[in-house]
Amino acid sequence: NAGVTQTPKFRILKIGQSMTLQCTQDMNHNYMYWYRQDPGMGLKLIYYSVGAGITDKGEVPNGYNVSRSTTEDFPLRLELAAPSQTSVYFCASSFQDQRTGELFFGEGSRLTVL
Amino acid sequence: DAKTTQPNSMESNEEEPVHLPCNHSTISGTDYIHWYRQLPSQGPEYVIHGLTSNVNNRMASLAIAEDRKSSTLILHRATLRDAAVYYCILGDNNAGNMLTFGGGTRLMVKP
Repeated sequence: NAGVTQTPKFRILKIGQSMTLQCTQDMNHNYMYWYRQDPGMGLKLIYYSVGAGITDKGEVPNGYNVSRSTTEDFPLRLELAAPSQTSVYFCASSFQDQRTGELFFGEGSRLTVL
Repeated sequence: DAKTTQPNSMESNEEEPVHLPCNHSTISGTDYIHWYRQLPSQGPEYVIHGLTSNVNNRMASLAIAEDRKSSTLILHRATLRDAAVYYCILGDNNAGNMLTFGGGTRLMVKP
């Protein structure tokens, strides 16, 4: 099993550009999440999904969009990139909700906006 | 939201046990206690979680105080590969069942 796979691993964007971070999992998990982690800080939840066709906002959703058309994929879209979105982005999935279950994380996507 | 308090950093010697403390005085009866760790340049990794009773797995042990206001993650024999940031997190009903990752404890392991 590959687990949670994120692409790309690194990306540099110019201010105002758009891009999509891809996330796919092969564990048939219903729950999927996107976090960002700024240097020296903990993780903040951007968006999450409890199943195909269902998404909801987390703590810091502004400037991002998500979709969940399949169980496996949960892409994160950045529109009009800003320097404040420079961060490391982690995708995660779980079989149960976070309160009782175990989260599986991808290796991260490091994004720099110049 | 129920919060946790952890020391910013701790040091340990290789092959010695490590006790990582966590205070959660506002924990509610249904909040699970989770521990994750993050090795340098990697995503967080699940370590262990529990509700009331002490828990053991191949990675670590979780000791939960009787009043549940604190807990301790125990690494029985630290290795250099255990150097990481360790996050103690409450699985909080009032937070939509979402985990909130705080600053964690940076564990340094000396050879």
